[in-house]
Amino acid sequence: GEDVEQSLFLSVREGDSSVINCTYTDSSSTYLYWYKQEPGAGLQLLTYIFSNMDMKQDQRLTVLLNKKDKHLSLRIADTQTGDSAIYFCAETLNQAGTALIFGKGTTLSVSS
Amino acid sequence: DTGVSQDPRHKITKRGQNVTFRCDPISEHNRLYWYRQTLGQGPEFLTYFQNEAQLEKSRLLSDRFSAERPKGSFSTLEIQRTEQGDSAMYLCASSAIQGPYEQYFGPGTRLTVT
Repeated sequence: GEDVEQSLFLSVREGDSSVINCTYTDSSSTYLYWYKQEPGAGLQLLTYIFSNMDMKQDQRLTVLLNKKDKHLSLRIADTQTGDSAIYFCAETLNQAGTALIFGKGTTLSVSS
Repeated sequence: DTGVSQDPRHKITKRGQNVTFRCDPISEHNRLYWYRQTLGQGPEFLTYFQNEAQLEKSRLLSDRFSAERPKGSFSTLEIQRTEQGDSAMYLCASSAIQGPYEQYFGPGTRLTVT
């Protein structure tokens, strides 16, 4: 069945790079997404990648996709304390891009 | 556009009562989604609409849950005979009908059933 796995916790120092990893199961997913959730808030869409791409860069964010291994990663360059949040990886349930399947989220803690 | 809005932001109810939540999507978005999120978990898909048609429902959506989007704009999610296990954050999202189907989320309605 569909399942998205993420490591639960990551701690980095301010100014370092953060890498958050995710594995997914549905090879028919056309898009994969990264969301950020701050305490008590809704989800903020950070970026997405189309399944025929290997990499996408958007300012401090770099997404890498290894479709063979069904592995997705989000790299945040020059991590700031404001980046502290929970990061969710999500895949589309089908090619029509309807329901999203989310991982449990990775809590990123940035210390100064 | 002010984004996706949800009302109320918080709801406390007693077990057995009915509750209704409202979601207003981004105006040009045809698709509207409902998710439920419990503590320490990612959001779980409940149902989605394309315009006024409810096209998909998760097996998580028991008979006590009903959702509507009568004019293809705002949507309501009703929970009848609430149970303590219904306590969660209910999230609404909307998207365009074409790829990349970016779903934009509202702030959520936090339901507490006592």
